Amino acid sequence: EAGVAQSPRYKIIEKRQSVAFWCNPISGHATLYWYQQILGQGPKLLIQFQNNGVVDDSQLPKDRFSAERLKGVDSTLKIQPAKLEDSAVYLCASSLTSGTGELFFGEGSRLTVL
Amino acid sequence: SQQGEEDPQALSIQEGENATMNCSYKTSINNLQWYRQNSGRGLVHLILIRSNEREKHSGRLRVTLDTSKKSSSLLITASRAADTASYFCATDSTSGTYKYIFGTGTRLKVLA
Repeated sequence: EAGVAQSPRYKIIEKRQSVAFWCNPISGHATLYWYQQILGQGPKLLIQFQNNGVVDDSQLPKDRFSAERLKGVDSTLKIQPAKLEDSAVYLCASSLTSGTGELFFGEGSRLTVL
Repeated sequence: SQQGEEDPQALSIQEGENATMNCSYKTSINNLQWYRQNSGRGLVHLILIRSNEREKHSGRLRVTLDTSKKSSSLLITASRAADTASYFCATDSTSGTYKYIFGTGTRLKVLA
């Protein structure tokens, strides 16, 4: 079974530039999560999708971050414009559905904002 | 916001010793999970314990849950160098959205 795929693995940009991350969850998983993990901290939930609907985006900085999950499969997370404090690893995870327990994580996309 | 707080923040032990890390959380939960993260990698699920369970085992892992104290512990017995990683607890609240909130993590180093 293929795992959660993310790209790119690494990205370096200047502040005020834009960046997009892509995630392909495990086939058949209805729930998709984007987490932000700053160095030395635990993952912080940015947004949670159930199929292509948003379940929770309470901690997504909506003035600069956006995310979509078209057709309830792949998802993209965009940052525009980026700030220095956005430097982090962006982790995508999926689960069969909300409340079923185990989350399967991708390897993450490491963003450095200069 | 972080729902869980792990302690200690860092732990260094010799191979063969047991490692215990604790997680405290703030609100009522449906279940609590533990994850491992090797440096530069994604998180890997270790074990899930439901709110009506008090103890669970999986191989060298033993997890306990005390809902009255809002705390959990993860015990790794007979540790190996390969257990070197960060360990996180994750909780979902009973508020209904099933979002999983991760703690701050314990960095475990097992010395060979």
